[in-house]
Amino acid sequence: ILNVEQSPQSLHVQEGDSTNFTCSFPSSNFYALHWYRWETAKSPEALFVMTLNGDEKKKGRISATLNTKEGYSYLYIKGSQPEDSATYLCALHLGDSNYQLIWGAGTKLIIKP
Amino acid sequence: EAGVTQFPSHSVIEKGQTVTLRCDPISGHDNLYWYRRVMGKEIKFLLHFVKESKQDESGMPNNRFLAERTGGTYSTLKVQPAELEDSGVYFCASSPRSRGLQFFGPGTRLTVL
Repeated sequence: ILNVEQSPQSLHVQEGDSTNFTCSFPSSNFYALHWYRWETAKSPEALFVMTLNGDEKKKGRISATLNTKEGYSYLYIKGSQPEDSATYLCALHLGDSNYQLIWGAGTKLIIKP
Repeated sequence: EAGVTQFPSHSVIEKGQTVTLRCDPISGHDNLYWYRRVMGKEIKFLLHFVKESKQDESGMPNNRFLAERTGGTYSTLKVQPAELEDSGVYFCASSPRSRGLQFFGPGTRLTVL
């Protein structure tokens, strides 16, 4: 059974502080890693799709790195704002004929004003 | 461009009843996916359509679940008869490519009493 692990499960951060959290996954048969941001009752919003070892992607104050050899990705948020409060989900695409995403349980981020 | 839409947004039914969820993907997206998130747990893959064909239905829990995509446009997911453990949020996503970015709908929150 493949497991995608996210840590921490939840995180409280003071407004203005920077933060980061982790997605760990099996390094064999890797194809791509997706990061999504999800606010309850809304559509999960795609942040990044990362495929290459060493990839770094950035979108505004949010950035992500990827290490496929050791099987982890970090998501960073710089200068957290209240609107960053959401659950951040990572999902793995394997390099076989199976096209489904394998999901972590998410990191719930709460920004305290 | 319209995003992925799902109907209804919420459904509350009693155990033993039937419910049909609908997903309208982004126009032109051949790939359509159904996922489910049970409260507090990770999102789980249910199945994947390419046009009107089921590419992968390995995630369907049992034969009480039936998904269709007639004509390769919208899709329905029927649960008959519903059980308590079917409660959760059912997401639909679509993508133009099988391993590309997936665009999600807002989900249908199903509660089985």
